[in-house]
Amino acid sequence: EVQLVESGGGLVQPGRSLRLSCAASGFIFDDYAMHWVRQAPGKGLEWVAGITWNSDTIGYADSVKGRFTISRDNAKNSLYLQMNSLSADDTALYYCAKDQIKFGELMSYWGQGVLVTVSS
Amino acid sequence: DIQMTQSPSSVSASVGDRVTITCRASQGISTWLVWYQQKPGKAPKLLISAASNLQGGVPSRFSGSGSGTYFTLTISSLQPEDFATYYCQQANRFPFTFGPGTKVDIK
Repeated sequence: EVQLVESGGGLVQPGRSLRLSCAASGFIFDDYAMHWVRQAPGKGLEWVAGITWNSDTIGYADSVKGRFTISRDNAKNSLYLQMNSLSADDTALYYCAKDQIKFGELMSYWGQGVLVTVSS
Repeated sequence: DIQMTQSPSSVSASVGDRVTITCRASQGISTWLVWYQQKPGKAPKLLISAASNLQGGVPSRFSGSGSGTYFTLTISSLQPEDFATYYCQQANRFPFTFGPGTKVDIK
């Protein structure tokens, strides 16, 4: 059974940093691209970042480019999102999602999400 | 970046109704279009990939069509469990983008 478990969320002050982690199990992690998607309270889905199976290709939403860094450790079956210079606009539920292929296409399976609240 | 729009933003319908949701891309994306369903308090669920490829376990009353810049998601006979918000997503290239969503609620 595919499992994606996010962690690392919480309350953080504006301008500070936070690192999210996603522990994957139930599938061959390095066979798939991975993504982070967020959803602000009461709002729609926003794709944040994606990374191919071997980390060769990485993409970011314009809203986070230069502030967020996605990475993966295939040996640890883990996905990460380093978030710097956080602002209130980054407050959201952050989902880790598994792709269907190595190179990035869609989010075939989602974790339950981790809440990030940016507030003073 | 490719912008995605959806219409309507919300629709009220009854059980048994046929519902069609439209998604448009700001530039041609061939059939690199994905549909998701999200129910309140739940993670999204993948419904359709490649514009029309129904995922395993998704009821056949769901169908997708389109290519280029214009796409549709149709629910042929709305069931109680279909009341949810539906999102399209372009998968042509990074950065991926979602449409704003269409909420289907009970009339």
